[in-house]
This record gives sequence, structure tokens and C-alpha cells, in this order.
Amino acid sequence: NAGVTQTPKFQVLKTGQSMTLQCAQDMNHEYMSWYRQDPGMGLRLIHYSVGAGITDQGEVPNGYNVSRSTTEDFPLRLLSAAPSQTSVYFCASWDRSQNSPLHFGNGTRLTVT
Amino acid sequence: GDSVTQMEGPVTLSEEAFLTINCTYTATGYPSLFWYVQYPGEGLQLLLKATKADDKGSNKGFEATYRKETTSFHLEKGSVQVSDSAVYFCALRDSSYKLIFGSGTRLLVRP
Repeated sequence: NAGVTQTPKFQVLKTGQSMTLQCAQDMNHEYMSWYRQDPGMGLRLIHYSVGAGITDQGEVPNGYNVSRSTTEDFPLRLLSAAPSQTSVYFCASWDRSQNSPLHFGNGTRLTVT
Repeated sequence: GDSVTQMEGPVTLSEEAFLTINCTYTATGYPSLFWYVQYPGEGLQLLLKATKADDKGSNKGFEATYRKETTSFHLEKGSVQVSDSAVYFCALRDSSYKLIFGSGTRLLVRP
């Protein structure tokens, strides 16, 4: 059971480039989310999804797009990378129960130069 | 809005010392509370949780009690090990199922 799989693990982009961070889960979880982790700021929610075809904005959505065409996949798109998007990105999934814990991927470390 | 405040780190302890990491929250309603741990190079893992007032979550020797009167969920362990060195995050789940994290506290345990 792979859990939550994120690719790539590391990425370097130049300002203005676009890319997609991939996230897949094999636990049939309805809920998925993307967080960014920056020093001293904990994890901040970028976007989340409560099911296929449904997405919503979190705390810091600007500069990112998401879609949820299947239950398993929740890609995060950077349309035009900026140095302020240098961060570690985590994808997480959880099931419908309010007390269900989040299952995290191992993260993608992104550097924008 | 809802928020979580954690003590700033790093916290440096000797092996077998007692650990407390403070966490307080602000929330409307009755959130569920969680502690997550992050080891170097990895994602976050659930350490323990509590879903209602006076509940005590425990795992791997760590404990935390949901105190509604003081809006706190402090993490404790009686005797830390070097292997406990990690970053610890307090979090709450609000009524919309989103998880809100504190800023994290780095723990370093020296042999």
C-alpha cells in the first residue's frame, strides 16, 4: 500500500516557468489537499478538494491551480513560477470522518531562481 | 478565524529528560486536536489526537490532554530519546474539515 505519492521530490525552476506537481493516493480517500511549508510558518493550506470535480481555495491559493478529475489524483499547477513560491510542498489525503488523520506524502522541494 | 499557537523552538534536551511543548488554540465550536511529527526529509505523521474536551491522546510515550477551559493541548513525554528528535506540529480540524497547523517546534535530544 503506497499511501500518498508525490513526484518529483526535487525541482528547480526559473522565474516564469510553469510546472505540475503530481499527487496520487491509493486509499480511496475523498478529501485531498496541498500545503506549503516555509521556515517558521508551519504548513499553510493552498487548495483542497472534497471529492472528484470539487476544489476550493485555502489560505494561500494565488499563483496555483488545481483540478480533481479522479479520486486518486490531485495535481498542483504553478502557472508562472516566482521566487516567492520556493518552498516544500506536501500533498495530503484523508477520509470523510472528521476524526480521520491526514496521510501525507514525502514532499516536493521546489526552488525558483 | 481559527488558529493554533505553539511555543517557539528549538527545544534542546538531554536524553531521558521530561518534555513539554505548549500548544494553545482559538476556534469556534468544538474542533478536534492533533499532534503531528515530522522527521527529517519526510512528510508529517500523526502522533496522537483528541476529539473532545478532557480526552487524552497518547502514543509512543507521548501524551496530550484536550483542555477546553484553557484552550490548550500541550504535548508531554516523561523521558525523551535521541530518536524523538523531530519537528512537532499541533493542529486543529475545524468544522469545514480543514486542518490548521501551528508553526512547528523543533526538538533536539542530545545523548
